[in-house]
Amino acid sequence: GENVEQHPSTLSVQEGDSAVIKCTYSDSASNYFPWYKQELGKGPQLIIDIRSNVGEKKDQRIAVTLNKTAKHFSLHITETQPEDSAVYFCAAGGGTSYGKLTFGQGTILTVHP
Amino acid sequence: GAVVSQHPSWVICKSGTSVKIECRSLDFQATTMFWYRQFPKQSLMLMATSNEGSKATYEQGVEKDKFLINHASLTLSTLTVTSAHPEDSSFYICSASGRTEAFFGQGTRLTVV
Repeated sequence: GENVEQHPSTLSVQEGDSAVIKCTYSDSASNYFPWYKQELGKGPQLIIDIRSNVGEKKDQRIAVTLNKTAKHFSLHITETQPEDSAVYFCAAGGGTSYGKLTFGQGTILTVHP
Repeated sequence: GAVVSQHPSWVICKSGTSVKIECRSLDFQATTMFWYRQFPKQSLMLMATSNEGSKATYEQGVEKDKFLINHASLTLSTLTVTSAHPEDSSFYICSASGRTEAFFGQGTRLTVV
């Protein structure tokens, strides 16, 4: 089955700095790679996703890159703000069922004012 | 965007009793829903795939007789934790596949005392 590794487990940055979280996956059949933000006691919220036919996607301060050959994908957050502080999860999935996902271990991001 | 609603958001039950958690897709039909489990400070682990009108598919290591899943309609899936024990205490989260992404419920915090 799929295995997703996520690093780092914790990340502390100053407000305005950039944050980068990296994930690797094992199953070459995976073709859908979403990133979720989870706040304490809540379900995960999709912040950006990328599909295997695209190498990079950007949405305002958030960007995701995908290297299918190396089985790597990364989340980039620029101009971080204190409200970006949360747990971030990467995930990998395949086929047309977007809900069946294997999650990374999570990254606790803390943005200091 | 589409909304997935879970109920209850938290529940406390006595050891040995059963608890039912509901997952509803509010504005779209979901032939497939998914149930995840999340222990404190850990990642989401897929428990089972809930298929409308047929039996659920359970991931390896998940007891199907303990975690009963029913998907009786295109908008409702239920997870029943039978004969709950303290080790079943966890955060349970459902998701439903939309056309282009997965939508997650807000989660249910189960505490077994």
